Amino acid sequence: KQEVTQIPAALSVPEGENLVLNCSFTDSAIYNLQWFRQDPGKGLTSLLLIQSSQREQTSGRLNASLDKSSGRSTLYIAASQPGDSATYLCAVVDDKIIFGKGTRLHILP
Amino acid sequence: SAVISQKPSRDICQRGTSLTIQCQVDSQVTMMFWYRQQPGQSLTLIATANQGSEATYESGFVIDKFPISRPNLTFSTLTVSNMSPEDSSIYLCSVGRQETQYFGPGTRLLVL
Repeated sequence: KQEVTQIPAALSVPEGENLVLNCSFTDSAIYNLQWFRQDPGKGLTSLLLIQSSQREQTSGRLNASLDKSSGRSTLYIAASQPGDSATYLCAVVDDKIIFGKGTRLHILP
Repeated sequence: SAVISQKPSRDICQRGTSLTIQCQVDSQVTMMFWYRQQPGQSLTLIATANQGSEATYESGFVIDKFPISRPNLTFSTLTVSNMSPEDSSIYLCSVGRQETQYFGPGTRLLVL
């Protein structure tokens, strides 16, 4: 049974810092992995999708990596801004979509 | 991308009543997914709704409690029946397009 774990559960960093969010999964037989952002009381916004054959994807200040063999993905946020404050969710897709519990990120002005 | 809308955006309901949540997608899709997000938790898949057939429910979810309709390829409803405070959650519908999953804004439900 696929399990997705995100570490840390919560993170507070000063504005301007670079940071890394971690996601691990137990079964490496995935089709792809997707990172989402969720603002309080809102739905999910797709940030990055990494196909199983890919190693990383970049969008603006965001970079996501995937290492299937070790069952890990990271989301790197460069030059963090207060507007980046949100919960970041990792989801792996095998025969269904399994979500981690998320990392609550707070960027301090 | 996909544009998904949900109604209502939020509601406060009394125990024992039912609420129907609507989900509209901007173009036709084969499968629509309904998720629940309980307070402080991640998303859990309730069921997959296919047009023209019965919805497929995940373990722990049953049709009597969460009946789903899928009358066409752009619309679905989820009903939360005989509600209790434990049903207080955000309910989200989702579709997949080109291997990316898109979500509606969610319906925030509070059951008193």
